[in-house]
Amino acid sequence: GAVVSQHPSRVICKSGTSVKIECRSLDFQATTMFWYRQFPKKSLMLMATSNEGSKATYEQGVEKDKFLINHASLTLSTLTVTSAHPEDSSFYICSARYRGGHPYEQYFGPGTRLTVT
Amino acid sequence: GQNIDQPTEMTATEGAIVQINCTYQTSGFNGLFWYQQHAGEAPTFLSYNVLDGLEEKGRFSSFLSRSKGYSYLLLKELQMKDSASYLCAVRDGGGATNKLIFGTGTLLAVQP
Repeated sequence: GAVVSQHPSRVICKSGTSVKIECRSLDFQATTMFWYRQFPKKSLMLMATSNEGSKATYEQGVEKDKFLINHASLTLSTLTVTSAHPEDSSFYICSARYRGGHPYEQYFGPGTRLTVT
Repeated sequence: GQNIDQPTEMTATEGAIVQINCTYQTSGFNGLFWYQQHAGEAPTFLSYNVLDGLEEKGRFSSFLSRSKGYSYLLLKELQMKDSASYLCAVRDGGGATNKLIFGTGTLLAVQP
């Protein structure tokens, strides 16, 4: 089946620093990738949609200069949290949809837990 | 605006049946999904409904009424491992975007 990985699985960083999270589709080409964040005991909130080779589309209220998304290849998308603050601490999950796949299916990565101290 | 509502928490007994409801009001509709998520893990796909009616898949069934903006997930023969969060999500557009809007999630606790 379609497998999506994320790296790192957990990261702790100091306030003011930047951290990069990678999302990879391991056995398929992902034409579209999605980034979500999830607060404890809350549901997933879509942050942005990225298509390979084009700029990401951000949801309302998500700062594009703070959450930099790059989808440089069909198997890799990255989310960089710039100048991180404690309120950015969250569980970040990516998902991917593959070319030729069922239009309704997204495959989720295992998530990255970010803690900003 | 987009609004997807589910009960926050539910408790059920092992071996029993539980129904988790979801109501939605979205600007568009192109399918409703149910996902299961264990704590600290990624959501896993359970079901997809785009037409009215019941879709059955083993112990899990999902129902959709588009006119009422309503869906439910039915879990039969509950097992302890079914303790998890259940997320209702609506796909609000067609084509390549495939954007999902998630509900608040229902935390199900299965007790012996």
